[in-house]
Amino acid sequence: RKEVEQDPGPFNVPEGATVAFNCTYSNSASQSFFWYRQDCRKEPKLLMSVYSSGNEDGRFTAQLNRASQYISLLIRDSKLSDSATYLCVVNIGAGSYQLTFGKGTKLSVIP
Amino acid sequence: GAGVSQSPSNKVTEKGKDVELRCDPISGHTALYWYRQSLGQGLEFLIYFQGNSAPDKSGLPSDRFSAERTGGSVSTLTIQRTQQEDSAVYLCASSLAGLAGRWFFGPGTRLTVL
Repeated sequence: RKEVEQDPGPFNVPEGATVAFNCTYSNSASQSFFWYRQDCRKEPKLLMSVYSSGNEDGRFTAQLNRASQYISLLIRDSKLSDSATYLCVVNIGAGSYQLTFGKGTKLSVIP
Repeated sequence: GAGVSQSPSNKVTEKGKDVELRCDPISGHTALYWYRQSLGQGLEFLIYFQGNSAPDKSGLPSDRFSAERTGGSVSTLTIQRTQQEDSAVYLCASSLAGLAGRWFFGPGTRLTVL
């Protein structure tokens, strides 16, 4: 089983739609979780951290389910500018600075 | 302020040549990472520097790869005797110590080995 798995997509959704991405991780000792966004031929940028209680940042909501080793990202009212690849990122192991990246889920928001 | 910078932005080289890739992290960031991203693949960890500690080189794919970080700032990734499978985008990231995951990436160096 891969350490961090994501549905590669692509997800093609109309503007204004709600879309959800899922991610599973294999190491139960994982401590920290993040969503990064990567635009085409650009570097990844931190979108948001994922907290145990779930957290929201505007139109974006992140959820963590430690029992199922599952992370999700929900985007409401999709904008054209949301088109990008969304990377699920996990900090493997307590005290480790090494991050493991999923391969990403590609989102295309269509006019 | 200035972000992470990398040079060159693109590098085309012939198989067997050596290349050097440079990373200038954000000033004050003690942690520096090198990753690479091949087409359609996820980011692959290469090496991690933290302050004056010995680097974590566990991700380097072969002894042709080496990296150093001088003065706790600029880092150079060297690939000797390049192979076609080395073609990828090499990404550098930096962060403040203690903020795992809150990284800032540079724009990357796109390496093509012919």
